Amino acid sequence: EPEVTQTPSHQVTQMGQEVILRCVPISNHLYFYWYRQILGQKVEFLVSFYNNEISEKSEIFDDQFSVERPDGSNFTLKIRSTKLEDSAMYFCASRGDTEFFHFGNGTRLTVT
Amino acid sequence: AQSVTQLDSHVSVSEGTPVLLRCNYSSSYSPSLFWYVQHPNKGLQLLLKYTSAATLVKGINGFEAEFKKSETSFHLTKPSAHMSDAAEYFCVVSGPTGFQKLVFGTGTRLLVSP
Repeated sequence: EPEVTQTPSHQVTQMGQEVILRCVPISNHLYFYWYRQILGQKVEFLVSFYNNEISEKSEIFDDQFSVERPDGSNFTLKIRSTKLEDSAMYFCASRGDTEFFHFGNGTRLTVT
Repeated sequence: AQSVTQLDSHVSVSEGTPVLLRCNYSSSYSPSLFWYVQHPNKGLQLLLKYTSAATLVKGINGFEAEFKKSETSFHLTKPSAHMSDAAEYFCVVSGPTGFQKLVFGTGTRLLVSP
């Protein structure tokens, strides 16, 4: 069964550094999402992406965040200048034209 | 805006006893509702979904949930808990159609003792 894959599984970075989290959605899916889960808290929506543009973003998704689909397969989340409070598990998800979201296993980002 | 409330942050059961994880939703339109499970250090796995078909929904691993519009509830149940059911469970709402996003509840940690 097709899967959403995320790399790396763990990322440690220093405060102020840029990080790029990578996701390969399921190949025929049209809608792409990033969610995050700070340790011990609920899963929060960050951004949705459709037709090569952001369709919706949350208040968390400020100017430090950006998303890109640079080719036909990857979907990336960039954080320009990481802060301690960006430490979280980041989940990528994709879906076709149904309600079913397919999630990756997440990237655990630790900002020191 | 839609939202879900999970009434218990932790639920403890003994192996072989029934499981009940409670969820109430709020939505101004007919919602789609889901339960996701997250095992430690793992991703989010879909257990079951409700999308305005049958109100009693069966999912994987023996779980089921019943949509009750009058009570705005979507509680998750299982007749007999197994040790492997220990995990975090999220009640989730989405809609309307289009660029819909998922809105997660705060989660319920299920603990299963021998």
